[in-house]
Amino acid sequence: AQSVAQPEDQVNVAEGNPLTVKCTYSVSGNPYLFWYVQYPNRGLQFLLKYITGDNLVKGSYGFEAEFNKSQTSFHLKKPSALVSDSALYFCAESNFNKFYFGSGTKLNVKP
Amino acid sequence: DGGITQSPKYLFRKEGQNVTLSCEQNLNHDAMYWYRQDPGQGLRLIYYSQIVNDFQKGDIAEGYSVSREKKESFPLTVTSAQKNPTAFYLCASSIDGARGAREQYFGPGTRLTVT
Repeated sequence: AQSVAQPEDQVNVAEGNPLTVKCTYSVSGNPYLFWYVQYPNRGLQFLLKYITGDNLVKGSYGFEAEFNKSQTSFHLKKPSALVSDSALYFCAESNFNKFYFGSGTKLNVKP
Repeated sequence: DGGITQSPKYLFRKEGQNVTLSCEQNLNHDAMYWYRQDPGQGLRLIYYSQIVNDFQKGDIAEGYSVSREKKESFPLTVTSAQKNPTAFYLCASSIDGARGAREQYFGPGTRLTVT
């Protein structure tokens, strides 16, 4: 069965420091991988996706993610965190017409 | 403004009553989805539709029903058979549902409370 794991329920980082939110996937072959962000009581917003090609994917708001096939990982990164980045982040993988979401990681950026 | 709208934002119902959540999109997307979000569990797929007049069950379809009579509309009915209906419900759409390479666009959600 396909699954996405986000091993950290919460990540704390100081403003201006780099941030990493971890994600591992389980599908074999060539996965389609996504990152979304959710602010309180709102829907999810698409950040970036990996379909094929360059392993480093750049997305919205300065976020990027690195696809690592050998480690089956797709970690979300940002060189310098902002307080406004504080939110809930979801990793997802898709197979044809179904998406599988991780349980989410709450990012706290302290001033 | 293009996007997905869900109404109402908050909904309260008594146990035993059916309730219908609205989802409308003007993005001309073929595929639409309903998810349920509970704290600490991420999103779980209830139903999805790749084309008008067609829909499939997701992972937790029991106690829910949908219809897709128009491309822009995908209402979800939470029936009295759903044992634990209190949750945050999210509707999403994508250009098409094939192959899974297309990102989904989400509505703002409806928080349903059943007492």
